[in-house]
Amino acid sequence: GEDVEQSLFLSVREGDSSVINCTYTDSSSTYLYWYKQEPGAGLQLLTYIFSNMDMKQDQRLTVLLNKKDKHLSLRIADTQTGDSAIYFCAESRYSSASKIIFGSGTRLSIRP
Amino acid sequence: SQTIHQWPATLVQPVGSPLSLECTVEGTSNPNLYWYRQAAGRGLQLLFYSVGIGQISSEVPQNLSASRPQDRQFILSSKKLLLSDSGFYLCAWSTTGTYYGYTFGSGTRLTVV
Repeated sequence: GEDVEQSLFLSVREGDSSVINCTYTDSSSTYLYWYKQEPGAGLQLLTYIFSNMDMKQDQRLTVLLNKKDKHLSLRIADTQTGDSAIYFCAESRYSSASKIIFGSGTRLSIRP
Repeated sequence: SQTIHQWPATLVQPVGSPLSLECTVEGTSNPNLYWYRQAAGRGLQLLFYSVGIGQISSEVPQNLSASRPQDRQFILSSKKLLLSDSGFYLCAWSTTGTYYGYTFGSGTRLTVV
């Protein structure tokens, strides 16, 4: 099975909050990330959280980490049309190759 | 500042033709380099990574190969493309230890016809 799992789609109304969820399997994960991919573009790092943190807030973005349940979430407050994109959850594990494992991405669409 | 360049942006190639995609990084030394493929509507699949010149690790068996002839140059190649090689190819770099994540290039959309 996938190491990092996300739901494929999320639709929210403009101005509402969006919550994108992610689960991972490896308890040795050190950092967890959220990336944003706009159509036809590469991935942009939105935020990351170290595994010894529970929460991180950056303007409209709030990341919550539940290590016990291996659950990560990204909350986008006051969702705007520019937030339409695919959001990837990812985890890293310490190794010399420094690999990051990505989820399959959640496509966020905004309703007027 | 560090930048990553990837080209071409789009490519249409016939089945059986060769492929060469290039990625270069500026403003850093000894980066870790990665090639990912994103099939239509799918997530990211790690194809190759490199921690140094001439050091290539392959994640999945496939029709593609990678090379790193210089410290900041990463090339993805194929001798004969298959239809299944179509997808969006992304190059990325990181410093040793992914604490700050990867920085991705803008991607190459490859269509094999």
